[in-house]
Amino acid sequence: EAQVTQNPRYLITVTGKKLTVTCSQNMNHEYMSWYRQDPGLGLRQIYYSMNVEVTDKGDVPEGYKVSRKEKRNFPLILESPSPNQTSLYFCASQTSGGRADTQYFGPGTRLTVL
Amino acid sequence: KQEVTQIPAALSVPEGENLVLNCSFTDSAIYNLQWFRQDPGKGLTSLLLIQSSQREQTSGRLNASLDKSSGRSTLYIAASQPGDSATYLCAAHSYSGAGSYQLTFGKGTKLSVIP
Repeated sequence: EAQVTQNPRYLITVTGKKLTVTCSQNMNHEYMSWYRQDPGLGLRQIYYSMNVEVTDKGDVPEGYKVSRKEKRNFPLILESPSPNQTSLYFCASQTSGGRADTQYFGPGTRLTVL
Repeated sequence: KQEVTQIPAALSVPEGENLVLNCSFTDSAIYNLQWFRQDPGKGLTSLLLIQSSQREQTSGRLNASLDKSSGRSTLYIAASQPGDSATYLCAAHSYSGAGSYQLTFGKGTKLSVIP
């Protein structure tokens, strides 16, 4: 089954404790991205990757890191989480960064930073 | 910078009614527009994608239209059912520079279909 998977689905952590949220897709998609969703603010893009070893900032990259060493994986790293990073995070992928493609979303990771 | 607005923020209708959800965007130079559905606690599911050269797309009871010149898209749902209750998001796919494209989302319309 074609899908985007994220782990963990739920995470409660404390300020300053490094964490990684994994994202994997099995559709051989080149383009992957991370979003956060907050009440009243909607979905905002954090980082995206056009292909392996190619990443770039989205609208709200501060406090996050990403890497794309393999085509299927695109982990999101919070080096020193803060309470304002409490949010619902989504990973997404599409065939390429082109205009004709549908984005496929993972199920989301709900992160709480105390 | 692209901005996407959805009105209304919430909508409640009785089962069986036809309804229209609205989406507007500020930069008409879009490549496509997508409508998504989001169920509580779940991810987003793509419903329809309209290319910039198209006027509308249909899938079952759903019909989405696009008017680039006026910066508007509508999602028409026919004969609504309680299972249609969800939040509907539209997203405009625009060029963001350096050979890449960005999806800008509206804040969504929360639809409740009352049995």
